[in-house]
Amino acid sequence: DAKTTQPNSMESNEEEPVHLPCNHSTISGTDYIHWYRQLPSQGPEYVIHGLTSNVNNRMASLAIAEDRKSSTLILHRATLRDAAVYYCILSGGTSYGKLTFGQGTILTVHP
Amino acid sequence: NAGVTQTPKFQVLKTGQSMTLQCAQDMNHEYMSWYRQDPGMGLRLIHYSVGAGITDQGEVPNGYNVSRSTTEDFPLRLLSAAPSQTSVYFCASTQSHGLFVEAFFGQGTRLTVV
Repeated sequence: DAKTTQPNSMESNEEEPVHLPCNHSTISGTDYIHWYRQLPSQGPEYVIHGLTSNVNNRMASLAIAEDRKSSTLILHRATLRDAAVYYCILSGGTSYGKLTFGQGTILTVHP
Repeated sequence: NAGVTQTPKFQVLKTGQSMTLQCAQDMNHEYMSWYRQDPGMGLRLIHYSVGAGITDQGEVPNGYNVSRSTTEDFPLRLLSAAPSQTSVYFCASTQSHGLFVEAFFGQGTRLTVV
């Protein structure tokens, strides 16, 4: 499986935008980029995914570099509830629903 | 809509005891998986299933057994618990849209083996 690299931790202030980077230089042409987050004492939850184009949903935006070797999860206005561990995950081919988690980025949001 | 339900939420076992962690999903998903998460770490795949009657090993399968007799249920069995199995266990049910995977996770079972 292609590997992802994320910063260990990031900090933000409430109501400010947050840009969470992810490097995936060995991504293959069929790999989707997924983002999941894990709130304290909860299971991971899906945030967003993309293949080549930038994506928006009600939770966040995903900006994908033109060469697809990196991506950025954008939280437009961080809230205290967004404090979580954010995982950038690649999945492609016949994954059978399996996800490979790295250590993720711990996001701290200050009031 | 319950999604993925795991029971129990907390469990303390003595070394050598056996137990079954239950996982049930009501979304009619084909794929289900079990992960463990140790402190400060990401999740690691234990076992997974691509449908009723079909299971396979993940990254860390030793010490665990699974079976999938129905689409809804995917229990994880610890035959002889060891302190190294102290962890938080998550069950996931996955919907596959071609190459895109959307997983739904349970709330987790926090297991302590003493």
